[in-house]
Amino acid sequence: ETGVTQSPTHLIKTRGQQVTLRCSSQSGHNTVSWYQQALGQGPQFIFQYYREEENGRGNFPPRFSGLQFPNYSSELNVNALELDDSALYLCASSRDRAGYTFGSGTRLTVV
Amino acid sequence: DQQVKQNSPSLSVQEGRISILNCDYTNSMFDYFLWYKKYPAEGPTFLISISSIKDKNEDGRFTVFLNKSAKHLSLHIVPSQPGDSAVYFCAASGMRAAGNKLTFGGGTRVLVKP
Repeated sequence: ETGVTQSPTHLIKTRGQQVTLRCSSQSGHNTVSWYQQALGQGPQFIFQYYREEENGRGNFPPRFSGLQFPNYSSELNVNALELDDSALYLCASSRDRAGYTFGSGTRLTVV
Repeated sequence: DQQVKQNSPSLSVQEGRISILNCDYTNSMFDYFLWYKKYPAEGPTFLISISSIKDKNEDGRFTVFLNKSAKHLSLHIVPSQPGDSAVYFCAASGMRAAGNKLTFGGGTRVLVKP
């Protein structure tokens, strides 16, 4: 049973650019959630996808968007990057919205 | 508005002794609580959970206590081992919350000294 894998592990972007982060969910899981963890803080909920539809969103602006594909993998897109977007982005998958398994995250640095 | 708070940013304990981590919440709609452990460069890993219909749950060295009237939960680790050194996050969710999203506390860094 494979776990949750995220790519890339690290990247550096310039303010104003766009970025796409990817997540492969654990086998058998149909729900994917994305979290942002700023340095020294706990993860904050961005949004969740259940069977390819957005199913809940946290307090993040519309420039944070996502997709879930038929194989339940997911993308997080962030447009017009700001310095404060620098954080660890975590993907978590689950089966029917229970029992989350987290990936190791993507460390995004905006300069 | 921090709905889940871990007021102790760090904790140092001797190997073999008890570690007690605390967490407070404000949202009465939370009915399920979880503890996660996080090592550097890894994602959070699930440790133990408790439903609001219980006040205690045990799993090996880990016990979680829930005091609903005080909106407080704690994680006890007995005995503490050097491999327990990590950051611990308390998280809460509610059946009525969108997609059962998790609301996390800020974390407590635990150092277990040999």
